[in-house]
Order: sequence, then C-alpha cells, then structure tokens
Amino acid sequence: DAKTTQPNSMESNEEEPVHLPCNHSTISGTDYIHWYRQLPSQGPEYVIHGLTSNVNNRMASLAIAEDRKSSTLILHRATLRDAAVYYCIREGGYQLTFGKGTKLSVIP
Amino acid sequence: KAGVTQTPRYLIKTRGQQVTLSCSPISGHRSVSWYQQTPGQGLQFLFEYFSETQRNKGNFPGRFSGRQFSNSRSEMNVSTLELGDSALYLCASSESSGGADWNEQFFGPGTRLTVL
Repeated sequence: DAKTTQPNSMESNEEEPVHLPCNHSTISGTDYIHWYRQLPSQGPEYVIHGLTSNVNNRMASLAIAEDRKSSTLILHRATLRDAAVYYCIREGGYQLTFGKGTKLSVIP
Repeated sequence: KAGVTQTPRYLIKTRGQQVTLSCSPISGHRSVSWYQQTPGQGLQFLFEYFSETQRNKGNFPGRFSGRQFSNSRSEMNVSTLELGDSALYLCASSESSGGADWNEQFFGPGTRLTVL
C-alpha cells in the first residue's frame, strides 16, 4: 500500500513547536512528500512539499529522513489557527494519495 | 485572484438519478483534480485533467466521469447514484503542467452531495 502512516491525533500548547511525524516506507524514489491541512468545513490547504532535502517556507519546515522512509512537519510556534487535520501525502502521477491524517489540537 | 469555485455547494438527489458538479479553477491554472471525501474512506482521488486531457484516474467505477473545457473549467458527472456516493466532492487546481510546481494544489470549498 502506498499510503502514509500518521498518528491519529496530537496535542500542542499554544506558541510551542509541534513535530508531526509521518512514515512512508514504500515511497518510490521519484514521489514527492507533501503536507496539506484541512480546517473544519474547508477544503485542504497546501502547507509544504519536498523530495529529498529539508524544506522551509513561511508556514512550516519539512524534515525528510535520509532514507526517505519518514518525514516530520515542524510548526515552529503553534497558534489556535493551526488546529486542523494534517495530511502527509505521497504524490505520483498527478495524483495526491491522502492518508487518514493527524488531528492537531492546540491548547491555549 | 479569486479562488477555486465549485457549484453547487449543496445538492440532494435520490438513488438512480445522475448529477453534474462544476469547478472553476483559479485564473491561469490549467490542471484540475477531483477528490471524494467521506468519513469512512477519507480523501480519495477521482481524476486529474490538464488542457482538456485526463492524465490520471483513480479507482472508481465508470459511473464517475469528468471532463475539462478549453477555458480549464471542469465538470464531473455521476450517473445512477447510489447511497454510498453521498460525500463531499472537492476540486483542486494547479498552475503547472507537472514536476515540482504541480504539487501546490489549491482546493475549493467542495460540493456536499446527499443521496437519499
């Protein structure tokens, strides 16, 4: 199965860093690793993606293991607006294959 | 720029009927993808179009079909509706034809289809 594996849920205190893990042991060498998040009653929203190297953008950082079998999404300072379901996704052939996602709760 | 728009936002149909959903991508975006979201199965890929050509199709029965027009707008059609087709149908668009830039997909708010 080419889907990714994530914890069902995680909690974080507001303004603390959050590390969201993902396992994708069957990912192929050319598949990108993506992260999207979905807030309640909205469509998914792009967060970040990468292939081999660690990536940073204004929203988050993505740390990819050297063997590419796992990755970690890092939110540097969680805010209440970051409460959402976070999906770690494998991309190949113009298709995003979503897993079950991690529901992140942020505690004020 | 306006975001991805989907019409209608809500729809109620009965078993056996057919339905057509519409998606208008962000201006300048030529790739349009469709996804089905249900509580049990999560988000599942239906198909992707670029320049009126279907480039990939998910594992759904032939009752699910789609098309893309020359202005990049896309429609999906479901014939002979079943109760299990009740779901949120999401459309996403992307600017790029492929490669790394394709990866940033912009999703619309979805169409909530209820089949009675």
